[in-house]
Amino acid sequence: EAGVAQSPRYKIIEKRQSVAFWCNPISGHATLYWYQQILGQGPKLLIQFQNNGVVDDSQLPKDRFSAERLKGVDSTLKIQPAKLEDSAVYLCASSLNLFADTQYFGPGTRLTVL
Amino acid sequence: AQSVSQHNHHVILSEAASLELGCNYSYGGTVNLFWYVQYPGQHLQLLLKYFSGDPLVKGIKGFEAEFIKSKFSFNLRKPSVQWSDTAEYFCAVRVGGFKTIFGAGTRLFVKA
Repeated sequence: EAGVAQSPRYKIIEKRQSVAFWCNPISGHATLYWYQQILGQGPKLLIQFQNNGVVDDSQLPKDRFSAERLKGVDSTLKIQPAKLEDSAVYLCASSLNLFADTQYFGPGTRLTVL
Repeated sequence: AQSVSQHNHHVILSEAASLELGCNYSYGGTVNLFWYVQYPGQHLQLLLKYFSGDPLVKGIKGFEAEFIKSKFSFNLRKPSVQWSDTAEYFCAVRVGGFKTIFGAGTRLFVKA
């Protein structure tokens, strides 16, 4: 079974630039998560989708971050404009459904904002 | 606000030593509890989980964890660690049925 795919794996940008990350979940998984993991901290949930609907985006900084999952499969997370404090690993995860007992994580995208 | 605390940020053990990693959470309702592990160069993966029933749960690679409801704790244990257990361990709590909150993680280094 193919795992969660993410691209790019690494990205370096300057502050005020924009960046987008892509995630393709495990086939058949209805729930998709985006997490932000700052160095030395645990993953923090940014947004959670059930199919193409948003379940929770309470911790998403909506003035600069946006995410979509238009067809209920793959998803894009965008930051515009980026700030220095956005430097982090952005993890995508998926699960069979909202109440499934296991989330499957991708390799993450390491973002450095200079 | 809900939170998850992991007491040790870094732990260094020799092989065959016993391991216990502490995890406490703050949430008064029903929770599901997890330990995830990230081995060097690998993805985060599930180590074990507790949903209901026997509060002592067993996971992969000889790990176990005990849910103590009165203490809001879910500590991870292993009787004898191996060099291959070197990894970062994250405690996570699911609240409200579907929102998962992670602790800051504990980096374990096992000396061969």
